Amino acid sequence: AQSVTQLGSHVSVSEGALVLLRCNYSSSVPPYLFWYVQYPNQGLQLLLKYTTGATLVKGINGFEAEFKKSETSFHLTKPSAHMSDAAEYFCAVSPNDYKLSFGAGTTVTVRA
Amino acid sequence: GAGVSQSPSNKVTEKGKDVELRCDPISGHTALYWYRQSLGQGLEFLIYFQGNSAPDKSGLPSDRFSAERTGGSVSTLTIQRTQQEDSAVYLCASSYGGPQETQYFGPGTRLLVL
Repeated sequence: AQSVTQLGSHVSVSEGALVLLRCNYSSSVPPYLFWYVQYPNQGLQLLLKYTTGATLVKGINGFEAEFKKSETSFHLTKPSAHMSDAAEYFCAVSPNDYKLSFGAGTTVTVRA
Repeated sequence: GAGVSQSPSNKVTEKGKDVELRCDPISGHTALYWYRQSLGQGLEFLIYFQGNSAPDKSGLPSDRFSAERTGGSVSTLTIQRTQQEDSAVYLCASSYGGPQETQYFGPGTRLLVL
């Protein structure tokens, strides 16, 4: 069985500051890893994903994440937060089947 | 191109009534998924369709829940004899299939059972 842990249900950052959202997973096999963003009253939108190859993955809106197998982590970062980054962020894993297992989500607020 | 669409966007029903939720996937996507998003349980997988294969129903919470996919395209999720704990946002997603493929999500149907 696989599980996803997102540290911190709420993160508040100042505009222009670093955004760091933590995600750890447990999986018996190397998984595929995803970060999704959800804006209010909308569905989920893919930010980035790791399948194979380079462990540093770049996504949309200036976000990136690094897969660290030894730490079973896939933390999401953005160097400089923008007001439009305020949303809920979900880390998800798909080990070797088709179902996504999601973390509980992290709500990001951006202070002006 | 058009994304995943879901209807209705909101549904209010009375306890004990049946409801049907509809999902139109992205054209050409062979895989279709239903998830449920609720305050207490987060995002949960419900059911998965891939082509003409038998669906993976392992996430359906009870036998009151069922889903079908007609013609390999549109899907309907049916909840019979709704209960208050069924109140949630029901999200549909589609993809080209395969665990590494991106799942594209619709806006969801917000269900409230009174």
